[in-house]
Amino acid sequence: QKEVEQNSGPLSVPEGAIASLNCTYSDRGSQSFFWYRQYSGKSPELIMFIYSNGDKEDGRFTAQLNKASQYVSLLIRDSQPSDSATYLCAVNGGYQKVTFGTGTKLQVIP
Amino acid sequence: ETGVTQTPRHLVMGMTNKKSLKCEQHLGHNAMYWYKQSAKKPLELMFVYSLEERVENNSVPSRFSPECPNSSHLFLHLHTLQPEDSALYLCASSQEVGDGTEAFFGQGTRLTVV
Repeated sequence: QKEVEQNSGPLSVPEGAIASLNCTYSDRGSQSFFWYRQYSGKSPELIMFIYSNGDKEDGRFTAQLNKASQYVSLLIRDSQPSDSATYLCAVNGGYQKVTFGTGTKLQVIP
Repeated sequence: ETGVTQTPRHLVMGMTNKKSLKCEQHLGHNAMYWYKQSAKKPLELMFVYSLEERVENNSVPSRFSPECPNSSHLFLHLHTLQPEDSALYLCASSQEVGDGTEAFFGQGTRLTVV
C-alpha cells in the first residue's frame, strides 16, 4: 500500500472552473500536510499547508483536511492556464518522515 | 529566485565516472535533504542532515555518498552509477528536521548516466 496516494491524472478542467485534487495517506500519526506545485522541468514550490481538520483558504486555493478519513484535498477556484502543473501532496508523519505522493497532473484548458 | 541553489543543473556521466552535486542554501536553515525524483515515482528521500550531522539514510546504495561540511552546504558524491540512477536530484532545506515546516527546494540537477 502506498503511503501517500494521488491520482496521477491528467485532470483536465476548463478555465474558470474549480479543480479538485485529492490525496489519501496511510499513517494515522501524520501531523502536517503540504501541497506543492511543480511546473515541468522546475522544482516543487509550496502553495499550501494545513495542520488541523477543516478548511484553510488562501486566495484561490483551499486545502481541506479530514484526519478521520485520512484525506487531504486541494481546491483551486477560477482555474487559470497558469495553474497547469503537477501538484504534489506531502505528509509529515513526525521526525524525519516526510512522504510525497506521485503527484497529480492538472491541465487547465483555455 | 530560490534560496536553495544547486549546481550543475544538468550532468551526463559515464558509469565509471566520479562526479559531485552541490547544494547551497542562503535561508539560515538547519536541515538539508537530498531527494531523488524519477519519472512516475514519488519523491524519494535519500539523506537528511541536521546541523551537519546525518540523521537519516534511507537505504541508499553506497555509490551515493553525501557530505555536509556546514549547515549551508551539501554535496552528493557520485561514483560507479547505473543507468537506473538517471533522475532529477533535488536538494531541499527546512528550518529544523521534522518540525513540520515547509521544505524549500533547489532547481535540481538532471542526471543522466550513460
